[in-house]
Amino acid sequence: DAKTTQPPSMDCAEGRAANLPCNHSTISGNEYVYWYRQIHSQGPQYIIHGLKNNETNEMASLIITEDRKSSTLILPHATLRDTAVYYCTSGNYGQNFVFGPGTRLSVLP
Amino acid sequence: DAGVIQSPRHEVTEMGQEVTLRCKPISGHNSLFWYRQTMMRGLELLIYFNNNVPIDDSGMPEDRFSAKMPNASFSTLKIQPSEPRDSAVYFCASSPNQGTREQFFGPGTRLTVL
Repeated sequence: DAKTTQPPSMDCAEGRAANLPCNHSTISGNEYVYWYRQIHSQGPQYIIHGLKNNETNEMASLIITEDRKSSTLILPHATLRDTAVYYCTSGNYGQNFVFGPGTRLSVLP
Repeated sequence: DAGVIQSPRHEVTEMGQEVTLRCKPISGHNSLFWYRQTMMRGLELLIYFNNNVPIDDSGMPEDRFSAKMPNASFSTLKIQPSEPRDSAVYFCASSPNQGTREQFFGPGTRLTVL
């Protein structure tokens, strides 16, 4: 079973920031939080990952709470092409990789 | 870089037939993963290899499924005999090393077993 929980769906207006939450209250101290997304009919795509500190790359920002029990993926200026299912997953070396049902983000014009 | 390459992209077969799915990982990646995705069960890890050696095959559903990685640039997932419930999209992914979850997925093979 996935150790993360996410809302099943969210809407976001085009051009606005999309904030996708993820709860991982059972995460252990050495487990990373990873985010992937899957655009319809394509393979999942890696977005970003982090351990304790907030992270930013060209795709998104990842905000991890101080207690590491939850995180938020931020797409600063969502476009229609960001419509996808977003998966939050956690784990460490050698563990089985589990993807939950994710959050279906719809970016609306 | 061409990314992870999978073939065929679509496969339609009849129940009882043997099916072989193929994957070429990204050059230089040490880990390779096979996933299956269905509407009912979502994305499931079937097996993964590190340096061509199977590390965890606990996700392989039953003995009808087998996977091999004869060298660093090629892997196969075989189903023999196939059944309608095997219909799914099968993804192959590769990763620079075992300790990371930064995996690069291929486009998938859509398998339909009639």
